[in-house]
Amino acid sequence: DAGVTQSPTHLIKTRGQQVTLRCSPKSGHDTVSWYQQALGQGPQFIFQYYEEEERQRGNFPDRFSGHQFPNYSSELNVNALLLGDSALYLCASSLGGGGTNYGYTFGSGTRLTVV
Amino acid sequence: AQSVTQLDSQVPVFEEAPVELRCNYSSSVSVYLFWYVQYPNQGLQLLLKYLSGSTLVKGINGFEAEFNKSQTSFHLRKPSVHISDTAEYFCAVSNAGGTSYGKLTFGQGTILTVHP
Repeated sequence: DAGVTQSPTHLIKTRGQQVTLRCSPKSGHDTVSWYQQALGQGPQFIFQYYEEEERQRGNFPDRFSGHQFPNYSSELNVNALLLGDSALYLCASSLGGGGTNYGYTFGSGTRLTVV
Repeated sequence: AQSVTQLDSQVPVFEEAPVELRCNYSSSVSVYLFWYVQYPNQGLQLLLKYLSGSTLVKGINGFEAEFNKSQTSFHLRKPSVHISDTAEYFCAVSNAGGTSYGKLTFGQGTILTVHP
């Protein structure tokens, strides 16, 4: 049973560029959440997608946007990259639009470096 | 708004010794509490969770945690650690329903290093 799959695993981008990160949820899960983990910090909630809609959003600027597809996979897009966007981006899947009580399943993350 | 404070950024311990990783939280509503572990270059793995009921929660790999509502704490313990327990540990909280139901708020993490 495949867990959460994220691609790519590593990425280097230049300031001002745009980036798209991808996530396939665990089989049977329909909800995807994205977190940003800066070096030496705990993960911070970016947003959550359920039924192809953004259901909740953390304290991130509009440069961060997302999408969920009918097969429940998701993309995270970041425009006008800043050096401070360098981080590990984690995708977590769950069931039924919420999920904390059932527990998330996290992917291994995409390491984004902005130079 | 919720917040989580992990009181120790690093905890060194010798193999087979007991360990406690401390976590305090702040919230105006009822919460669920979690401990996650992160090994180098990996994602987060759930160790244990408190949703309701017994305040002593047992998790994987011999870890347990106790929910103390009056002290707003959720400390993680293990009676005897192994080298393989070396990792970073995160305490997290979420609302127990209502708005922000699916959002986890994490602490800054505690790096546990087990020495032989």
